[in-house]
Amino acid sequence: NAGVMQNPRHLVRRRGQEARLRCSPMKGHSHVYWYRQLPEEGLKFMVYLQKENIIDESGMPKERFSAEFPKEGPSILRIQQVVRGDSAAYFCASSPQGDRGPNTEAFFGQGTRLTVV
Amino acid sequence: AQKVTQAQTEISVVEKEDVTLDCVYETRDTTYYLFWYKQPPSGELVFLIRRNSFDEQNEISGRYSWNFQKSTSSFNFTITASQVVDSAVYFCALSGYSSASKIIFGSGTRLSIRP
Repeated sequence: NAGVMQNPRHLVRRRGQEARLRCSPMKGHSHVYWYRQLPEEGLKFMVYLQKENIIDESGMPKERFSAEFPKEGPSILRIQQVVRGDSAAYFCASSPQGDRGPNTEAFFGQGTRLTVV
Repeated sequence: AQKVTQAQTEISVVEKEDVTLDCVYETRDTTYYLFWYKQPPSGELVFLIRRNSFDEQNEISGRYSWNFQKSTSSFNFTITASQVVDSAVYFCALSGYSSASKIIFGSGTRLSIRP
């Protein structure tokens, strides 16, 4: 009964490198959400994806950040040319159905802690 | 716009004391969900409760209880007989009924329970 799996748990990147964060949703879930938690802050919504589609990316920075959720495989949050300000915990959540319905409870993964040095 | 305010940044109490964490929210939605999550020092998010706006009944689960008051837009969380293991950051959160998985989080309250 695996929950939402995120890897790696910890990721260290030098400034200018690329960071790839992976999220495997719970079995049967086809909707994925990414959140970012900056140090000492609450989580902030970034992007909502369904298989092969981005539904809402209103919280995603316009540059350097991208997300995908292919037909096969995990969802990927990609950060290009990382800067120190990207250091944060990135959480993924999944739900069995989308944004319309009462049973869209999201289950969170354990997060990936990105440190940019 | 939706917003969640947790005015208490940090609370420290001695073990076995009761403690209440405040949460005030703003939303224009007539139907919405409210949540509490716990984030222990290990960093993961632990789901505690989800309450929909139709249901104003207070809820009790062991030492935890929640007081939902729609009239004051508050959803407060009380821990009775606190324990050291309750030390964590607690987040109150809100989502609209039609966007139930896009959750707006408060900034969190760091709770420290001293032995």
